[in-house]
Amino acid sequence: AQSVTQLDSQVPVFEEAPVELRCNYSSSVSVYLFWYVQYPNQGLQLLLKYLSGSTLVKGINGFEAEFNKSQTSFHLRKPSVHISDTAEYFCAVSYQGAQKLVFGQGTRLTINP
Amino acid sequence: EPEVTQTPSHQVTQMGQEVILRCVPISNHLYFYWYRQILGQKVEFLVSFYNNEISEKSEIFDDQFSVERPDGSNFTLKIRSTKLEDSAMYFCASRGQYSNQPQHFGDGTRLSIL
Repeated sequence: AQSVTQLDSQVPVFEEAPVELRCNYSSSVSVYLFWYVQYPNQGLQLLLKYLSGSTLVKGINGFEAEFNKSQTSFHLRKPSVHISDTAEYFCAVSYQGAQKLVFGQGTRLTINP
Repeated sequence: EPEVTQTPSHQVTQMGQEVILRCVPISNHLYFYWYRQILGQKVEFLVSFYNNEISEKSEIFDDQFSVERPDGSNFTLKIRSTKLEDSAMYFCASRGQYSNQPQHFGDGTRLSIL
């Protein structure tokens, strides 16, 4: 079955600290991988995507993610977070041949001053 | 930058009533989607729509649900007879021609069934 797991439902960090949000997906031949961010009372905004090529992808707001095929992971990282990064982050996967996105449960990132 | 827009932002409806959620996808996009997120749960796929017909749907998308693109700009989701468990945030998304293009989401409609 196609599934996406975000291992942490909540991640509290201090401002200017690094953060990693974890995402694992069920194995498949070919996938496209995405991270979306949802700020309070807003919709889902694309942070970054992995389609092919370099396994390290850079997105908006200083975020990056690394695709690891052997681990079936696509963890999201930022070296130094800001208060404005407080939001819910969703990992999503598009499996080959399917149009839909399969989402993880989301990780709520809380930044403490 | 072009956006997906959804109306209304919040809809309150009595159980058993019909409700129509509206979306205006990005103008040159060809694929359209509805997702929902029940409070505290993950975002779930409902249906995808291409070339004026449903291309894929989930088990959630039963006979109570329908989608329509009544004109060149709107994309609607209708729930015929709402149930309490239909209460959720409903997101519309659209995508360009190619499968490796990302889906762009609207801000959602919060549907509350009383």
